[in-house]
Order: sequence, then C-alpha cells, then structure tokens
Amino acid sequence: DAKTTQPNSMESNEEEPVHLPCNHSTISGTDYIHWYRQLPSQGPEYVIHGLTSNVNNRMASLAIAEDRKSSTLILHRATLRDAAVYYCILRASWAGANNLFFGTGTRLTVIP
Amino acid sequence: EAQVTQNPRYLITVTGKKLTVTCSQNMNHEYMSWYRQDPGLGLRQIYYSMNVEATDKGDVPEGYKVSRKEKRNFPLILESPSPNQTSLYFCASGRTGGGITEAFFGQGTRLTVV
Repeated sequence: DAKTTQPNSMESNEEEPVHLPCNHSTISGTDYIHWYRQLPSQGPEYVIHGLTSNVNNRMASLAIAEDRKSSTLILHRATLRDAAVYYCILRASWAGANNLFFGTGTRLTVIP
Repeated sequence: EAQVTQNPRYLITVTGKKLTVTCSQNMNHEYMSWYRQDPGLGLRQIYYSMNVEATDKGDVPEGYKVSRKEKRNFPLILESPSPNQTSLYFCASGRTGGGITEAFFGQGTRLTVV
C-alpha cells in the first residue's frame, strides 16, 4: 500500500483555519485519499475523502494537488472539539480494498 | 441511530482466561474488522470479514480468533489471553466498495491482562 507522510503535531488558535498537510508521492491512479480523526478516548471517525477534485462537506474541505502527490485537510474554523489525531489514508478503489492502514497521524492542538 | 457497539468497554482479566469482546453494527454492512491500538504503534488490523462466514487475517492475528455467523456481529475471541494483548481494541464496519466507502468505528474496548 502506498505510504503517507504527515507532520507529527500541529497547533492552531481557536476559530482560525487549520491546514493539515499530507504527502503521498507514491499514490496510484486509483487510490482514494481518505481522512479520519480520532478524538480523545474515542474510536476513529470518518472526515472526508476524494479522488482528484477538491471536496467539501460539513466537517471539512479536502484540497488535492493536481499531481495528487499531496493533499491538505482544511478545517475552516478550528474549535476545541477539533483537537484530535488526524490520519491521512490511501484506499484503493477496487471493491475488496476495505482495510484501512493507519499511520501515526498528526496530533492537532487547538489553543483557546 | 447508525452505530457500531462494542462490549465491554473496559475489561481486566487474568492470563489464560478465555474472553470474548462483542461487536455489533446496525447498518447492514458487509465488511467488519478489528484493530488494536498501542502507544507508538498506532492502529493495527487484527482480523477482518468481507461477509458472513468470510474472515481473513490482518497484520497482527496471532492469539486472536473471530467468527462471522451473522452479518451484524463480529466477536473477537482471545482463547488464552496474555499480558502482551493488553491494548485498546476497536471494531469497525463498512460497505464493501474500497476507496469510495467510509468506515464506522466503535467506541473501543480497553483490555488489561494481568
């Protein structure tokens, strides 16, 4: 499976935008880019995913580089509830490729 | 409410005493999986199931068993627990479909084996 690289930690002030980067230089043409986050004492939760185009949902936006070798998860206004570990994961597009391979993720600290 | 439910949430047991951690989902998902999470090692997959009676090993299956007799349930069985199985365990479910689908996780089971 293609590997992703994320910074170990980031900080953001409350109510400011946060850009969480992810590098995936060996991504294949059929890999989807997924983001999950894990709040303290909880299981991981799905945030967003995309293939080539930028994506928006109620939680976040995903910006994908034109060459797909990197992506950025954007939280438009960080709140204290967004403090979590964020995982960038590549998932193959074929039907049997359901397994998630978690790296170490980025620990986001939100400063009040 | 769509959810993945694990029981128990916390468990302390002794070495060698068989235990089962249950996992149930109410979303009619075909795919279910178990992960363990350890400090510094992240989340690692133990076993997964693509559908009823279809299970396969993940990255760290040693010392664990699973079964999938019904679509909604995927219990994790430790026949003879050892202290190195002390960990935080998560069950997940999802529709099959690879990268186009999302996974749903339970709240976790913190297991301590003494």
